[in-house]
Amino acid sequence: AQKITQTQPGMFVQEKEAVTLDCTYDTSDPSYGLFWYKQPSSGEMIFLIYQGSYDQQNATEGRYSLNFQKARKSANLVISASQLGDSAMYFCAMIPGGISGGSNYKLTFGKGTLLTVNP
Amino acid sequence: GAVVSQHPSRVICKSGTSVKIECRSLDFQATTMFWYRQFPKQSLMLMATSNEGSKATYEQGVEKDKFLINHASLTLSTLTVTSAHPEDSSFYICSARTLRGSGGYYNEQFFGPGTRLTVL
Repeated sequence: AQKITQTQPGMFVQEKEAVTLDCTYDTSDPSYGLFWYKQPSSGEMIFLIYQGSYDQQNATEGRYSLNFQKARKSANLVISASQLGDSAMYFCAMIPGGISGGSNYKLTFGKGTLLTVNP
Repeated sequence: GAVVSQHPSRVICKSGTSVKIECRSLDFQATTMFWYRQFPKQSLMLMATSNEGSKATYEQGVEKDKFLINHASLTLSTLTVTSAHPEDSSFYICSARTLRGSGGYYNEQFFGPGTRLTVL
């Protein structure tokens, strides 16, 4: 079974500063994939970034980067140069199998972190 | 990019009525569709997984007779909340998964915008 832990219910950051959202995971699968999603107040789930368990380098997508520390089983999201529009819920999620997983493999979500960007 | 739509976006109904929510993949064929439920300030909880042409697989604790899922085609899945009650009020989100090849296979899952159900 997979488990995702997000220990920060809420985080505050000043506009233009960087912020790190924590995520730890637990799985017995040797192959897995890690995702971060953003959910603004409108409710839509927006995909931000993906990291495969066998990827050698940390994933980056624009202002988002994933600090993947496999031995510690952590996959923290770093948002650089925060913007007011970054205020939202952020969910870390995991899927067994990752890039080679079967189509029925299910995402396991953490409880989320509510990020507030202050002007 | 791949787009998943949901209809309706909001619905208010009286207790005892049934409500149907549609989930469509607009520009790709979905091998699998998932239905989630989200209560305010909580995470997404998977309700069921459905593949086109076969019966949905429900998560433990989800009443399959109450939440009917039909996956009639590779682009359409429907969730019907039967005999809805106020405790069924929630945010329902669907997602569609496709296998996309790009030097390998990548399980990519796309989410719909969600449907907010309010049962009076």
